[in-house]
Amino acid sequence: AQSVTQLGSHVSVSEGALVLLRCNYSSSVPPYLFWYVQYPNQGLQLLLKYTSAATLVKGINGFEAEFKKSETSFHLTKPSAHMSDAAEYFCAVSERTSNYQLIWGAGTKLIIKP
Amino acid sequence: NAGVMQNPRHLVRRRGQEARLRCSPMKGHSHVYWYRQLPEEGLKFMVYLQKENIIDESGMPKERFSAEFPKEGPSILRIQQVVRGDSAAYFCASSPIGGNDEQFFGPGTRLTVL
Repeated sequence: AQSVTQLGSHVSVSEGALVLLRCNYSSSVPPYLFWYVQYPNQGLQLLLKYTSAATLVKGINGFEAEFKKSETSFHLTKPSAHMSDAAEYFCAVSERTSNYQLIWGAGTKLIIKP
Repeated sequence: NAGVMQNPRHLVRRRGQEARLRCSPMKGHSHVYWYRQLPEEGLKFMVYLQKENIIDESGMPKERFSAEFPKEGPSILRIQQVVRGDSAAYFCASSPIGGNDEQFFGPGTRLTVL
């Protein structure tokens, strides 16, 4: 069965510092992987997705993620954090043999310190 | 092109009442997904619908919950005889095709059961 694990329910970084949000997945077949961001009291917005093209995926707002099959990971990074990045980030996986379901991680709240 | 619309944004019900949540997908999208987000948790898949068809309702509780996506009009998630444990944010997403296409999310309906 698919599952997604996001390490750390809260991550705190200083403004200007590197952001690293971790996501590991389990899947019996090559997956599609997604990162979504949720600002307070809003819906989810897609940051980026991996669908078997380049393993390094660039998304919006300066975020990127690298698919590492050997580590079953899809960590999200951003070189320099901005205050506006404070939000909750969700990793999700969908197996290619499944036609619709997204399986979600529990989310990581990113806190930016001034 | 308007995004996914959900209404109401906030809904308060007393135990035993009915809750009806509406979702209008993006124009041209015929696939609708409903998710539930409990406090401090990630999203959980509930149901996947196409026009006039329920494709998968494996995430729906067996009792009191139902969903529809009629030929005309919005998709409706209906919760009968609500209980306090139904308090959550309910998100709708839509996509133009099925498969592992990107899902576009609405702002959610926050249901509070008193």
